[in-house]
Amino acid sequence: DQQVKQNSPSLSVQEGRISILNCDYTNSMFDYFLWYKKYPAEGPTFLISISSIKDKNEDGRFTVFLNKSAKHLSLHIVPSQPGDSAVYFCAASVGGSQGNLIFGKGTKLSVKP
Amino acid sequence: NAGVMQNPRHLVRRRGQEARLRCSPMKGHSHVYWYRQLPEEGLKFMVYLQKENIIDESGMPKERFSAEFPKEGPSILRIQQVVRGDSAAYFCASSPQQGAGTEAFFGQGTRLTVV
Repeated sequence: DQQVKQNSPSLSVQEGRISILNCDYTNSMFDYFLWYKKYPAEGPTFLISISSIKDKNEDGRFTVFLNKSAKHLSLHIVPSQPGDSAVYFCAASVGGSQGNLIFGKGTKLSVKP
Repeated sequence: NAGVMQNPRHLVRRRGQEARLRCSPMKGHSHVYWYRQLPEEGLKFMVYLQKENIIDESGMPKERFSAEFPKEGPSILRIQQVVRGDSAAYFCASSPQQGAGTEAFFGQGTRLTVV
């Protein structure tokens, strides 16, 4: 039973355009959400997070939107750059815990020059 | 300031052997987490440890798997009598404390192959 779902295994975007990665969750107890970026043969790198008391968090080219009623969050990258090509994982936790993070299966983003 | 260090990066074991995966957290980090990633899957939480204590092992298989984080030295994830299904990437992460705003940093992982 997947509590965090990333329904798009892959996404291809042109350089300079917006990339939108989506994530849905089922557990209403989740109150902290994170996005990680992962290159092949490396560990995940933290990108951006959002608490359930907010609906938007922005950091440079990266913005995360949270819609609690729909149990949906999205990561926007604008403008997209070729170096953004990686697998993006959505993760969620209860109580802001860094311990038991529940990860989605990831979306592979390809940004074409 | 070195990141989270995991070794070995690659480990090949025959069925029935023991696998030992090591993780040295970032300096000043006292919380360690182990995750496993099977092919085409996301990361799955296994265990959360602080120095000399297991805080949450809800993701650990009941048999053959154990973890420790001694007072001195790295955290160790031990898999006894490995089977082919144990082949995966094992990631360790560390954080200075718990709670929102203290994101965990991941190591590069150990890729275990059981032949």
